[in-house]
Amino acid sequence: DTAVSQTPKYLVTQMGNDKSIKCEQNLGHDTMYWYKQDSKKFLKIMFSYNNKELIINETVPNRFSPKSPDKAHLNLHINSLELGDSAVYFCASSQDLRTGRRYGYTFGSGTRLTVV
Amino acid sequence: AQKITQTQPGMFVQEKEAVTLDCTYDTSDQSYGLFWYKQPSSGEMIFLIYQGSYDEQNATEGRYSLNFQKARKSANLVISASQLGDSAMYFCAMREGTRGGGSNYKLTFGKGTLLTVNP
Repeated sequence: DTAVSQTPKYLVTQMGNDKSIKCEQNLGHDTMYWYKQDSKKFLKIMFSYNNKELIINETVPNRFSPKSPDKAHLNLHINSLELGDSAVYFCASSQDLRTGRRYGYTFGSGTRLTVV
Repeated sequence: AQKITQTQPGMFVQEKEAVTLDCTYDTSDQSYGLFWYKQPSSGEMIFLIYQGSYDEQNATEGRYSLNFQKARKSANLVISASQLGDSAMYFCAMREGTRGGGSNYKLTFGKGTLLTVNP
């Protein structure tokens, strides 16, 4: 029973294409995130949503557009893919700390995007 | 400026020995949380241990313990009795306080330490 699931796990596509990565969590968490892990393994946040509201947008090109249809889903759409977009993209979720839970960051298994 | 610094790009340890992975952090917040994650070669991010800034005791989870020295702003991970399966990338991360609203809970990661356990 996967807590945070991402699809697809692997994505190979040509430059200029548009692609989407889907993420779903069944933990009842309030906040969801997209992180990018580059070829040097560095993890950097891209976006976060809290209850469908965009909270964090970290200087990500406009070609990247997150969409959260509901609290349990956060999708990432990428337009006009470039070679530099090749990376592993992780979805994560966390519980709102105001409810008293100290931690609860759970990551999906990642989507390895390769742009050729 | 880097908020999380992991100064050891790679570490080697003999099986069954203990190893310490270093992490220092920079924040002006009073309330923050520190995390360690493990990323094996299969790629998933596995939560290991958490330390809150107000926690008086060092966190422990099985073979993992966090050596929290608040004044020095360090949060080193100690793995006791290393096993071959501990070979992986280890990331230190920080969640800062709720400045700007209660939902700004992003984790900021260090660059990681690649641990290799030798038989």
